[in-house]
Amino acid sequence: DQQVKQNSPSLSVQEGRISILNCDYTNSMFDYFLWYKKYPAEGPTFLISISSIKDKNEDGRFTVFLNKSAKHLSLHIVPSQPGDSAVYFCAASDVDSTNKLIFGTGTLLAVQP
Amino acid sequence: GAGVSQSPSNKVTEKGKDVELRCDPISGHTALYWYRQSLGQGLEFLIYFQGNSAPDKSGLPSDRFSAERTGGSVSTLTIQRTQQEDSAVYLCASSLTSGSTDTQYFGPGTRLTVL
Repeated sequence: DQQVKQNSPSLSVQEGRISILNCDYTNSMFDYFLWYKKYPAEGPTFLISISSIKDKNEDGRFTVFLNKSAKHLSLHIVPSQPGDSAVYFCAASDVDSTNKLIFGTGTLLAVQP
Repeated sequence: GAGVSQSPSNKVTEKGKDVELRCDPISGHTALYWYRQSLGQGLEFLIYFQGNSAPDKSGLPSDRFSAERTGGSVSTLTIQRTQQEDSAVYLCASSLTSGSTDTQYFGPGTRLTVL
């Protein structure tokens, strides 16, 4: 039972344009959401997070949007750069439980120069 | 400062053998996590340590899997009688505390291949 779903395995975007990565979840107990970025042969690195009490969090070129009623979040990258090419994982946790993260299967983003 | 380190980076073993995977967390981090990523899958939680105790072992897939942490630092994940389905990248992460929003920092992983 996949509690966090990333339905797009890959996405290709032109440099300078917006990248939008999507994530859906099923567990209504999740109240903290994160995006991690992963390059080949490296561990995931934390990118941005959002608490369920917010609907938007912005950090430079990265913005995460949360729609609790739809159980959907998205990561916007504007403008996209070739160095953003990586696998992006959505993750969620229930802060009343242990801090284990439940991850999606990832989306491979390719930013074309 | 040094990040999370894991060893070995790659391990090839034969079915039925035991393997040990090591994780060195960031110095001072009290919480430590093990995850694994099988081919085409997301990261799957295995076990969580707070200090030397493991309050959540719910992700360990079978009793062939065990983990320990000593001195509130290094952790070892042991897989006994390895099976081909154990082939995956095993990732360790640590966080400063077990606070609910503390960032988990990941190591580079150990790629385990069971022949």
